[in-house]
Formats: sequence, C-alpha cells, structure tokens
Amino acid sequence: KQEVTQIPAALSVPEGENLVLNCSFTDSAIYNLQWFRQDPGKGLTSLLLIQSSQREQTSGRLNASLDKSSGRSTLYIAASQPGDSATYLCAVRITNDYKLSFGAGTTVTVRA
Amino acid sequence: AAGVIQSPRHLIKEKRETATLKCYPIPRHDTVYWYQQGPGQDPQFLISFYEKMQSDKGSIPDRFSAQQFSDYHSELNMSSLELGDSALYFCASSLFQDGYTFGSGTRLTVV
Repeated sequence: KQEVTQIPAALSVPEGENLVLNCSFTDSAIYNLQWFRQDPGKGLTSLLLIQSSQREQTSGRLNASLDKSSGRSTLYIAASQPGDSATYLCAVRITNDYKLSFGAGTTVTVRA
Repeated sequence: AAGVIQSPRHLIKEKRETATLKCYPIPRHDTVYWYQQGPGQDPQFLISFYEKMQSDKGSIPDRFSAQQFSDYHSELNMSSLELGDSALYFCASSLFQDGYTFGSGTRLTVV
C-alpha cells in the first residue's frame, strides 16, 4: 500500500520568502505524481503533474522535482505572496492503478 | 475549458435519509473517481469507473453505491446516512495518462 508523507504539516513565512514543501512515498513504482492546492472548504486545484519519466515540472513561480529512486518530490514556490496561503497536497498514482494516494498536506501561511 | 461539474454544492440531510450526488466529467475523459474528505483529513478514495465500468473500489461503505451512465455522468448514492458521513465529496476525471481534474465538491452535512 502506497504511503505518502508530507513534511512539514504547517509552514508560516513572511511575504517574499521562498517555500519548500516535501513529499515522500514508499512505493517507487509510480505512474505520476501530482501537486494540488486546496483553499479551506474548497476543491482541489491541480498545480503540477510530473510523469514518472520526468525529473521536474515548472509553471510560473512553481517548480516541482521528482526523485523516484529515493521516493521524494519537492514543491518550490518562489517569492511567496499572501495569496499562496493554502493547503498543498501531494498525490501519487502507482503503475497499473487508477487511484491517487494523498499525503496529509502542508498548510502554508504567507504573512504580509 | 470545461471542468468537472458536481451538484449540488451543498446538501443537508437528516440521519437515516438518502443522498444522491452527481458528477459530470470533462468530455472525453475515460475515468471518473469519487473521493471523500472529512474535516482536517486528506481525500480518501471511494470508487472509480473506467468507460462506465467499475474499475476500482476503496473504503466505500456498503450503504454507498455509485454508477456511471451512458452519457458518462456518475452518481454517488448514499443511504441510511450517519453523522460521520458529513464530509466533502469530490468527483474527479482523467484520461489514463493524464492527471486528475477535480470538481469543486459537494459538502454533505448530516444532522
């Protein structure tokens, strides 16, 4: 069973600081890994999708890396803004499976 | 671009009542998923359908059932509702090689 862990559980930074969110998974036979953002009581917004053959994906201020052999992914958010305050969830899809296994998320607060 | 549409957005039911949640996936997506997210918890997989056939089943209570129809929309039926069923219910769709797209969810409150 795939176990996904996210560290830290919560993070508070001043505006402008770079954010580093970590995700680790136990089964390295993954198909892809997806980072989501969730605002309180709202839906899940996909940020980045990394296929198993890729090492990283970038979108604007967001960059996600993937190291399958060590079972890790890192989401970097550059020059954080108060609007980045949300919970960030890492989700892993293993090969020959349809469902995603989620981490518990990292709740980010960016102070103005 | 069209997204995953879920209805209703909010639903309040009493214990032992029945609820039906609807999901309209992105056109041409071949797989639909249902997830349950309790307060302060990560989403838990309930059930999925690939091309209208059930493809996988997770921690879905026997009181719950789901199906996907010929027009690809899906419904999650929940009977004999319990207080513990109060949660956000998400539907998502995907093409097998692509990532998931989630709907905005249905917030079910059982009183």
